[in-house]
Amino acid sequence: SQQGEEDPQALSIQEGENATMNCSYKTSINNLQWYRQNSGRGLVHLILIRSNEREKHSGRLRVTLDTSKKSSSLLITASRAADTASYFCATDPTSGTYKYIFGTGTRLKVLA
Amino acid sequence: ETGVTQSPTHLIKTRGQQVTLRCSSQSGHNTVSWYQQALGQGPQFIFQYYREEENGRGNFPPRFSGLQFPNYSSELNVNALELDDSALYLCATIHITGGLGGELFFGEGSRLTVL
Repeated sequence: SQQGEEDPQALSIQEGENATMNCSYKTSINNLQWYRQNSGRGLVHLILIRSNEREKHSGRLRVTLDTSKKSSSLLITASRAADTASYFCATDPTSGTYKYIFGTGTRLKVLA
Repeated sequence: ETGVTQSPTHLIKTRGQQVTLRCSSQSGHNTVSWYQQALGQGPQFIFQYYREEENGRGNFPPRFSGLQFPNYSSELNVNALELDDSALYLCATIHITGGLGGELFFGEGSRLTVL
């Protein structure tokens, strides 16, 4: 079963705009990760945020985590056409087992 | 480039047949996981191998089985294929980061179509 639910399911924006996608999960977690997938290919790790962190930045990416609401958000600033992809959150519901459960994904389309 | 290689990239089988998918890694990571991703869905955890032993399994029937070899390469075997087994199968090695998480390095996947 899916642990996380991403919202929105699909998002279409213009190049240069910011894209925000959200993830909700069900159980306690040790960390939450975001992955990107281009057109049915392998997933690429973007960023990991630990349960004791509230915000993390990596380049144009900003991730927040609210463990009280069991939710996370991924913000991509100044989006580019190359950011067009599906984005997934992943959690390890049993600490340290690395048996990640992925959400349903947000399909982002950035229009040039 | 994750250094994780999967083969074959695409294959077509008929219902009832058996399939073997392969995964190799240059990373030296000793833990490998397999995921099934149906069209339009997120990856679903099948099972995980650590030092040649299965150490975790998702909600998949026994006809899904695997192996890990001493060089940490891995195989996923699926017997008695069903139409619903059509999916992208992803192999991932795990780079453990300081004991508080593991980053997954995915291969490009094997797309299986069952007719």
